[in-house]
Amino acid sequence: GDSVTQMEGPVTLSEEAFLTINCTYTATGYPSLFWYVQYPGEGLQLLLKATKADDKGSNKGFEATYRKETTSFHLEKGSVQVSDSAVYFCALFPKGRGSYIPTFGRGTSLIVHP
Amino acid sequence: GAGVSQSPSNKVTEKGKDVELRCDPISGHTALYWYRQSLGQGLEFLIYFQGNSAPDKSGLPSDRFSAERTGGSVSTLTIQRTQQEDSAVYLCASSSGTGGEGYYGYTFGSGTRLTVV
Repeated sequence: GDSVTQMEGPVTLSEEAFLTINCTYTATGYPSLFWYVQYPGEGLQLLLKATKADDKGSNKGFEATYRKETTSFHLEKGSVQVSDSAVYFCALFPKGRGSYIPTFGRGTSLIVHP
Repeated sequence: GAGVSQSPSNKVTEKGKDVELRCDPISGHTALYWYRQSLGQGLEFLIYFQGNSAPDKSGLPSDRFSAERTGGSVSTLTIQRTQQEDSAVYLCASSSGTGGEGYYGYTFGSGTRLTVV
């Protein structure tokens, strides 16, 4: 079956540091890949997505590229802020009718210090 | 509505009592999902509705858990005889249900934090 593996957290950084959160996957077919973010006390919000190989998703300074050859979708940001402190989830969504259940990674907590 | 609405946002209950958690999906979304998020854990899939039917109940952890959806809209997750291990955040999500999930993903609600004392 499908699976998503994220690096374990917490990831602790100083403000303005470079961020990478690794995500690798195994899947049948050609899924879409998503990053969701969960701020304290809130639900999950869609951060960015890529629906096919070599696509780059980007939002709020975050980027991730769908790499089929390495089955990866690593999240990056050049300069993190304290407000980026949250839990980040990588997710794989199958495409096509009758395939609505995604696979989520376990989440990676990011803590950014001033 | 404009977003997925869950109520209550917080619920404290005594062990052994029954609780009902409500989810009001985005208007027009035919697919609805319940997840459980325990402290420090990832997302645990519970159940999925397409319209009023639940083609996938595989994630319900025990027969104390049940869910229904009426009118293709609001869903209620019921936990009977609550136990302390049921303490978690229960998240609801909805999607169009037309197969576009692979392109648009889900929209999540803010969750209900359940504490069983």
